[in-house]
Amino acid sequence: SAVISQKPSRDICQRGTSLTIQCQVDSQVTMMFWYRQQPGQSLTLIATANQGSEATYESGFVIDKFPISRPNLTFSTLTVSNMSPEDSSIYLCSASERGYGYTFGSGTRLTVV
Amino acid sequence: KNEVEQSPQNLTAQEGEFITINCSYSVGISALHWLQQHPGGGIVSLFMLSSGKKKHGRLIATINIQEKHSSLHITASHPRDSAVYICAVQAGNKLTFGGGTRVLVKP
Repeated sequence: SAVISQKPSRDICQRGTSLTIQCQVDSQVTMMFWYRQQPGQSLTLIATANQGSEATYESGFVIDKFPISRPNLTFSTLTVSNMSPEDSSIYLCSASERGYGYTFGSGTRLTVV
Repeated sequence: KNEVEQSPQNLTAQEGEFITINCSYSVGISALHWLQQHPGGGIVSLFMLSSGKKKHGRLIATINIQEKHSSLHITASHPRDSAVYICAVQAGNKLTFGGGTRVLVKP
């Protein structure tokens, strides 16, 4: 299965600033996803990152707040924009190839102060 | 009611004990996944199931499609098994996650 390198692993950011999280996959994958895990909660899908086109966002998530890029089949970024303390969460990326299950990044633990 | 329900939410076991975690779901699925999350946040995929039973080392996962139920068993548990175990159901390309079961195995 694919291996994902996600960075940064953690960050402490000031409110009002933005943070970009990167995920690099060691092989070409069809699907990439971004998730948020708020403290004590399970994972929630933010969006599906589409190669060469705009990401597909889930209800409650918007592009202005969480812009996503996917320039090729091995790389994607998620930006958390204009951060507030409510954005403090773990953010994870995931990759999937049909029939081969899902691989997850190591997560980015974000604290907004 | 959540689409994916896990039980128990928390579990403490003594080293060597047999552990069972249960997952029930209410939607049609193409596959069910068992995941392991360590304190740092990273997630490891343990199993992907669409029917029957799978075994990997001391871990066994079963699924009953008719009853919409899956179980994850850990045999001869060890302190290194301490983690959060998450059940996720797949429909199309999307995963829906259960709330997780926090497992602590004491030496």
